[in-house]
Amino acid sequence: GAVVSQHPSRVICKSGTSVKIECRSLDFQATTMFWYRQFPKQSLMLMATSNEGSKATYEQGVEKDKFLINHASLTLSTLTVTSAHPEDSSFYICSALTGFDNQPQHFGDGTRLSIL
Amino acid sequence: QKEVEQNSGPLSVPEGAIASLNCTYSDRGSQSFFWYRQYSGKSPELIMFIYSNGDKEDGRFTAQLNKASQYVSLLIRDSQPSDSATYLCAVKGSGGSNYKLTFGKGTLLTVNP
Repeated sequence: GAVVSQHPSRVICKSGTSVKIECRSLDFQATTMFWYRQFPKQSLMLMATSNEGSKATYEQGVEKDKFLINHASLTLSTLTVTSAHPEDSSFYICSALTGFDNQPQHFGDGTRLSIL
Repeated sequence: QKEVEQNSGPLSVPEGAIASLNCTYSDRGSQSFFWYRQYSGKSPELIMFIYSNGDKEDGRFTAQLNKASQYVSLLIRDSQPSDSATYLCAVKGSGGSNYKLTFGKGTLLTVNP
């Protein structure tokens, strides 16, 4: 149980392109999903917390107009990287919570984004 | 600022040995502690989680928590080459952001055949 699907797994595109990444909870309803970014040899950095039906909460230093998050249903959150540039190249990973108690976050397989 | 500290390693152990991974955290109010394994180029996968002081065992893995010392560890018995990965310690915060995880930078474990 607690399977999180992330799509696409890899994106290569030109600078200036907008890229959408989907995160789905397949066998549970996720009221909260998280978006992380991981640069090579570094740990996961939380970008934003996505709550179904409300605006996402962004971490300090993360541009909300550049990283658009939509959590339209209890099983789907999307992250759109708008007008991507080479410095946005990274490994983007989503996770989902089954509940607010002490339950762990379950991670998707990640999306490797490369901007040329 | 809430911090989670791990020895970056690399930690190298022979096959069959016990690997000991350590983690300290700064937020004394933290309640939940998680160990994730991350293979190169992959996303983290949950190994274990622990909430109460003491030991929690699951197969070859044992998590140990000491809240007074703000210390959590992961022991891997009978280490296998397939255990070679980066191990991330994650702590769920207290207070208003108590659903967020703060990750350590991870410890790279290499198990030598």
